[in-house]
Amino acid sequence: DSGVTQTPKHLITATGQRVTLRCSPRSGDLSVYWYQQSLDQGLQFLIQYYNGEERAKGNILERFSAQQFPDLHSELNLSSLELGDSALYFCASSVGGASGGGQETQYFGPGTRLLVL
Amino acid sequence: AQKVTQAQTEISVVEKEDVTLDCVYETRDTTYYLFWYKQPPSGELVFLIRRNSFDEQNEISGRYSWNFQKSTSSFNFTITASQVVDSAVYFCALRTRREHSGGGADGLTFGKGTHLIIQP
Repeated sequence: DSGVTQTPKHLITATGQRVTLRCSPRSGDLSVYWYQQSLDQGLQFLIQYYNGEERAKGNILERFSAQQFPDLHSELNLSSLELGDSALYFCASSVGGASGGGQETQYFGPGTRLLVL
Repeated sequence: AQKVTQAQTEISVVEKEDVTLDCVYETRDTTYYLFWYKQPPSGELVFLIRRNSFDEQNEISGRYSWNFQKSTSSFNFTITASQVVDSAVYFCALRTRREHSGGGADGLTFGKGTHLIIQP
């Protein structure tokens, strides 16, 4: 158990809908990262937050957004869902993440499996 | 741009054999970090090891060992005396400091993974 929790574990929804995935980082970790794992694209970095602020952006679609709250939990919002958004979404956390970092180990949650029908 | 290549899509061996998973990376940055993660059938990603670009010492942890060679941009992973429980998808990943674009660091860049099957 990495200490990172994600809810829900599974989510089934229809095209065009909007969903919210939730992540709680390990105790003491300030950085949260979101990744998408799909058969086509593999594991891709979406976005990072550090202590409530966006820190780095990867291949995140404009239909997707995220935020990190004062209690450090994070939510990933996916809207106008398409069939191709079906994937396993991982949240990871690390201790730091301030500028100049990169060396921190990221610990991953169990993932949320999203199926868009 | 940075890239991680795991050329072996799937490897199947019989239990107790040794097996090496290859990882080749590309980056322009001189400071970077390499990782291996394991994804068992249950789906979670389990951290195995982190290696810094300025530390080329190889590492051994039980049946696991890692060979980091900057000259060939490789970070290979060997499992000695494999066991059925080692069956999983193994990912190599790279993270760099943004030396060429304002500092900080991006997320992990993952390879496509190697599916390791250990047969009893």
